[in-house]
Amino acid sequence: DQQVKQNSPSLSVQEGRISILNCDYTNSMFDYFLWYKKYPAEGPTFLISISSIKDKNEDGRFTVFLNKSAKHLSLHIVPSQPGDSAVYFCAAIGGAGTASKLTFGTGTRLQVTL
Amino acid sequence: NAGVMQNPRHLVRRRGQEARLRCSPMKGHSHVYWYRQLPEEGLKFMVYLQKENIIDESGMPKERFSAEFPKEGPSILRIQQVVRGDSAAYFCASSSPDRGRYEQYFGPGTRLTVT
Repeated sequence: DQQVKQNSPSLSVQEGRISILNCDYTNSMFDYFLWYKKYPAEGPTFLISISSIKDKNEDGRFTVFLNKSAKHLSLHIVPSQPGDSAVYFCAAIGGAGTASKLTFGTGTRLQVTL
Repeated sequence: NAGVMQNPRHLVRRRGQEARLRCSPMKGHSHVYWYRQLPEEGLKFMVYLQKENIIDESGMPKERFSAEFPKEGPSILRIQQVVRGDSAAYFCASSSPDRGRYEQYFGPGTRLTVT
């Protein structure tokens, strides 16, 4: 039962353009969401998070949008850079206010081309 | 560097041997999590620990796997009598939710190969 889904296994974007990575979830108990970036042979690196009481959070080139009614979130990267090429994982926590396990999606491989 | 430390980075074991994976959390973090990534899959939660306590082990296989986070020293994930299916990347993460931050920060992982 995949509670966090990233339906696009890969995405290719030109340098300078916007990258949009999507994530859907099914568990309505999730109330805190995170995006991680992962390079091969390294651990995931935290990028940005959002609480379910918000619908947008921005940090530099990264913006996360949350649509609770649709159980959907997206990560926007603008402008995209070649160094952004990596696998991006969406993750969710149920019951923010308590430390809890992360439930991960299967990842989207982003390639930023010159 | 005050990041999450894991060792060894690579570990090769023959079937039936024991594997011990170590994790030192970020400075100031008291919560440790272990995740496993099988080839071509996402990360799956295994266990969540605080000092001297297992909080959630719902993702741990029932047999051969154990974890601890002693009062002193690193957290240890122990796999007894390893089998080929245990070959994976094992990641440790730490957090400091008592400071109102729920982000988990990951170490570089230990890549276990069972031959």
